[in-house]
Amino acid sequence: DAMVIQNPRYQVTQFGKPVTLSCSQTLNHNVMYWYQQKSSQAPKLLFHYYDKDFNNEADTPDNFQSRRPNTSFCFLDIRSPGLGDAAMYLCATSRGTGGSEAFFGQGTRLTVV
Amino acid sequence: AQSVTQPDIHITVSEGASLELRCNYSYGATPYLFWYVQSPGQGLQLLLKYFSGDTLVQGIKGFEAEFKRSQSSFNLRKPSVHWSDAAEYFCAVGPRGSARQLTFGSGTQLTVLP
Repeated sequence: DAMVIQNPRYQVTQFGKPVTLSCSQTLNHNVMYWYQQKSSQAPKLLFHYYDKDFNNEADTPDNFQSRRPNTSFCFLDIRSPGLGDAAMYLCATSRGTGGSEAFFGQGTRLTVV
Repeated sequence: AQSVTQPDIHITVSEGASLELRCNYSYGATPYLFWYVQSPGQGLQLLLKYFSGDTLVQGIKGFEAEFKRSQSSFNLRKPSVHWSDAAEYFCAVGPRGSARQLTFGSGTQLTVLP
């Protein structure tokens, strides 16, 4: 009964080679988020979608893009991964109304070689 | 800007001992408050949340947290820790009226000794 599903769980990519991480949800939530979490650090919000409305954090590098083709799916595209982009990437969803908590997927561990 | 401070980077307790993890926040008004737990290599799981009402909230896995407005704190407690509680714990705040952004603390790593 997984509600937020991230694929793959582990991804290895080459330096500079574009990579896409995927997230799907069965909760029908309005909001989908992408967080980056480096080792022993708090999750850092990259961007989020409220329905089709894209909201980028001011300090998110241009190297990171996102797509949300429908309510259920959201993708994180890293155009030219660098060694510093190696991290856990967490997808989360919420209803978007006041007080609704975020539900997280299990994350994708990205390694850049 | 809102912020969350978890002053303890790492806490070690013995199995069966009580636990308190500290969380302080800075925000212009009373925010929504959350505690999440993360096991190694996993996503975050919600333990409990505070929106309004009773300042002592109960969560899953025997955890509770108390909101203290005067201290801007939302400390997490458990009376008797189990070995399976070893994980990283994150306190988070979110603005009222919107769940669009959570601000996380830097986390507290909990080690449980047998």
